[in-house]
Amino acid sequence: QQQVKQSPQSLIVQKGGISIINCAYENTAFDYFPWYQQFPGKGPALLIAIRPDVSEKKEGRFTISFNKSAKQFSLHIMDSQPGDSATYFCAASSPGGGADGLTFGKGTHLIIQP
Amino acid sequence: KAGVTQTPRYLIKTRGQQVTLSCSPISGHRSVSWYQQTPGQGLQFLFEYFSETQRNKGNFPGRFSGRQFSNSRSEMNVSTLELGDSALYLCASSLQGQNNSPLHFGNGTRLTVT
Repeated sequence: QQQVKQSPQSLIVQKGGISIINCAYENTAFDYFPWYQQFPGKGPALLIAIRPDVSEKKEGRFTISFNKSAKQFSLHIMDSQPGDSATYFCAASSPGGGADGLTFGKGTHLIIQP
Repeated sequence: KAGVTQTPRYLIKTRGQQVTLSCSPISGHRSVSWYQQTPGQGLQFLFEYFSETQRNKGNFPGRFSGRQFSNSRSEMNVSTLELGDSALYLCASSLQGQNNSPLHFGNGTRLTVT
């Protein structure tokens, strides 16, 4: 059972544009929602994370928007740059981690065209 | 501060053999988690150790096991290897556990089973 659904699978954005990646979850016990960025040959690196008590969190060009009632959250990358080209994963976990640890989405392969 | 170190980087094994992967966490981190990454299934949680005790375990067969030492270093063992075990195995460390503090991933061990 896929508990975190991520879309789109791949995304091409022009340099300077806004990249938007969406995730939806099913488990209402989830209370921690991080986004990870992964470059080829490297492990995932934490970008930004949010908890359900806020609807938006911004760090530099990266913003998470969170809609608790819809059980959805999204990553917005403003002024997208070629260096942002990578695979992005959303994730979610419940208190204490549990048997699923961090449940990851399937990933979005983002390409920023110069 | 040095990041999470995983050894070896690449490993080729034959079906039926066993393998041990090693992970050195960031200094001061007491939690080590292991994930399997494949193109089809994405990132899947294997287990988490905290202060030498297994705290959480994912939905993997008993052939997958791990342990953590008093210096927080961790090893993962897979016995009776199957072709489907070919994957990138990622280790991640955190201060207090994967729901309470950010996960820092290593660059993984690429295991190929022939």
